[in-house]
Amino acid sequence: EVQLVESGGGLVQPGGSLRLSCAASGFTFSSYWMSWVRQAPGKGLEWVANIKQDGSEKYYVDSVKGRFTISRDNAKNSLYLQMNSLRAEDTAVYYCARDVVFDYWGQGTLVTVSS
Amino acid sequence: QLVLTQSPSASASLGASVKLTCTLSSGHSSYAIAWHQQQPEKGPRYLMKLNSDGSHSKGDGIPDRFSGSSSGAERYLTISSLQSEDEADYYCQTWGTGINWVFGGGTKLTVL
Repeated sequence: EVQLVESGGGLVQPGGSLRLSCAASGFTFSSYWMSWVRQAPGKGLEWVANIKQDGSEKYYVDSVKGRFTISRDNAKNSLYLQMNSLRAEDTAVYYCARDVVFDYWGQGTLVTVSS
Repeated sequence: QLVLTQSPSASASLGASVKLTCTLSSGHSSYAIAWHQQQPEKGPRYLMKLNSDGSHSKGDGIPDRFSGSSSGAERYLTISSLQSEDEADYYCQTWGTGINWVFGGGTKLTVL
């Protein structure tokens, strides 16, 4: 059974940092693109970043470029999102998702940026 | 720039059918998309991948009531025999090489 489990969310002050993790199981993690998608309260889904199978290509939505870094550890079947210089508008539930079609999603982890 | 456009809302009666639309921006009519469902207070769920020729592949456990079709730059999700649990937000999504991956704004479906 494919499972994606996010962790690392929480309350952080503006300008602070957080590192999200996504633990994958039930499939060959190293064979898939992986992504982070977020959803601000009451809003729609927004793709945030993705990473190629071997980590050689990474892409970001403009609003997080230079602040967020996506990475993966295929030996640990894990995906990460390092978030720096956080802003109030980064407040959202963050999901990890598999493949280009997002065919499996995690349950999400809430990030709240507030003083 | 790749943009997906969806109507904000749709409604249909219990037991009826509804067709939701996702429109690809100019110059991108050959792109495949994916449809996702998000029931209230839940995470998103993958429904299907839909190609430009209308062929589609559904996710695990997705009922036959859900189907997809395409025409030009338009991608459709048809839900037949509507049930109360189909009341949800529906998002289309696409991807490409070297471009931002995008979601449509979502359609809120109300089952009357």
